[in-house]
Amino acid sequence: DAGVIQSPRHEVTEMGQEVTLRCKPISGHNSLFWYRQTMMRGLELLIYFNNNVPIDDSGMPEDRFSAKMPNASFSTLKIQPSEPRDSAVYFCASSSFRTNYGYTFGSGTRLTVV
Amino acid sequence: GNSVTQMEGPVTLSEEAFLTINCTYTATGYPSLFWYVQYPGEGLQLLLKATKADDKGSNKGFEATYRKETTSFHLEKGSVQVSDSAVYFCALSGITDKLIFGTGTRLQVFP
Repeated sequence: DAGVIQSPRHEVTEMGQEVTLRCKPISGHNSLFWYRQTMMRGLELLIYFNNNVPIDDSGMPEDRFSAKMPNASFSTLKIQPSEPRDSAVYFCASSSFRTNYGYTFGSGTRLTVV
Repeated sequence: GNSVTQMEGPVTLSEEAFLTINCTYTATGYPSLFWYVQYPGEGLQLLLKATKADDKGSNKGFEATYRKETTSFHLEKGSVQVSDSAVYFCALSGITDKLIFGTGTRLQVFP
């Protein structure tokens, strides 16, 4: 298995632009999580899906952030418009009951908003 | 609610020293407990886990024992290497699929 695949690995964009981050979870995993990591705030859960349905989006910072999971093999996290304070590493992770809730993380997308 | 508390870092050790990173938790029910490791520039990787009281998780020379009486899951390694330098996260899961992570402890090992 190729693991959780995220794209792009790095993204540099100008303030005000739309940014879309992508994630392909491990096949057969039924839960997907989006995290944001910064030095100041550490690791923050933004949203998670179970069987493609958003379960908890209380961590989404504001309306500029949105996430979708149209099918079991793909999810997106969109920021529109982007701001410099959104600069962070964004991780996607997936899990299934068979892993007893252990997560597999992707390599992350490093977002820089200038 | 459920929570995880880790010792503050950074932890600085010389190669071959003994490592302990403390982790305590607060949870209702019977959570599973995990240690994750994050190497520079990478995502978190599952290092070990324990699913019930008195279980010992182990991997790559690291160990942690699920202690229900002290609500702890301390990470230990008998002889650290420079390559162990990373950030270590303790985490727990309850009845949902959502993991609760600690704030992470940075380990720096010098030759």
